[in-house]
Amino acid sequence: TQLLEQSPQFLSIQEGENLTVYCNSSSVFSSLQWYRQEPGEGPVLLVTVVTGGEVKKLKRLTFQFGDARKDSSLHITAAQPGDTGLYLCARGGSNYKLTFGKGTLLTVNP
Amino acid sequence: EAQVTQNPRYLITVTGKKLTVTCSQNMNHEYMSWYRQDPGLGLRQIYYSMNVEVTDKGDVPEGYKVSRKEKRNFPLILESPSPNQTSLYFCASSLVFETGSPYEQYFGPGTRLTVT
Repeated sequence: TQLLEQSPQFLSIQEGENLTVYCNSSSVFSSLQWYRQEPGEGPVLLVTVVTGGEVKKLKRLTFQFGDARKDSSLHITAAQPGDTGLYLCARGGSNYKLTFGKGTLLTVNP
Repeated sequence: EAQVTQNPRYLITVTGKKLTVTCSQNMNHEYMSWYRQDPGLGLRQIYYSMNVEVTDKGDVPEGYKVSRKEKRNFPLILESPSPNQTSLYFCASSLVFETGSPYEQYFGPGTRLTVT
């Protein structure tokens, strides 16, 4: 199994602060997906990145895919309580398998 | 509405009593998959299916069976459940890139299973 390491595991911040979470692997991704999961629900896709160096923005969320396609980051600007949740990254390979990281549990306090 | 449905949402059962968790999608996706989610272990893939009659093992297949007789349905079968299969289970579906990498997963609402 090719592991995905996510850091930090837990993050608790105040409303309005900025934050970055990371997703790393020792091997190259063919694609990387970011999801957010709220308690009691299934994960929901935020973005997919495919090209090395790619940057995608989704309102206050900025996703970056490393040039070597082995790492990715998610930056949230001016976090809000509604951003609270478990953030998961997932890598796709060429063998139809999808591997998820363990996630970063983010709490944004009002 | 495009969706993935799972049933039941909650199930408490006893060791050894066979059970099936159903999963259905209405998006005509080729790819379907089952995951289990456990505290500290994250989301782990149990089985996946690339199309009708084509299935393969994920990272934690022991104790589970699947079948894909129709494109829309992908049931998960526990022939003889044990307490270590107590978990939160998710079904998901997606399209697939030409490279064989799954597109974004559409997840069902989850099934919380307790085996006593």
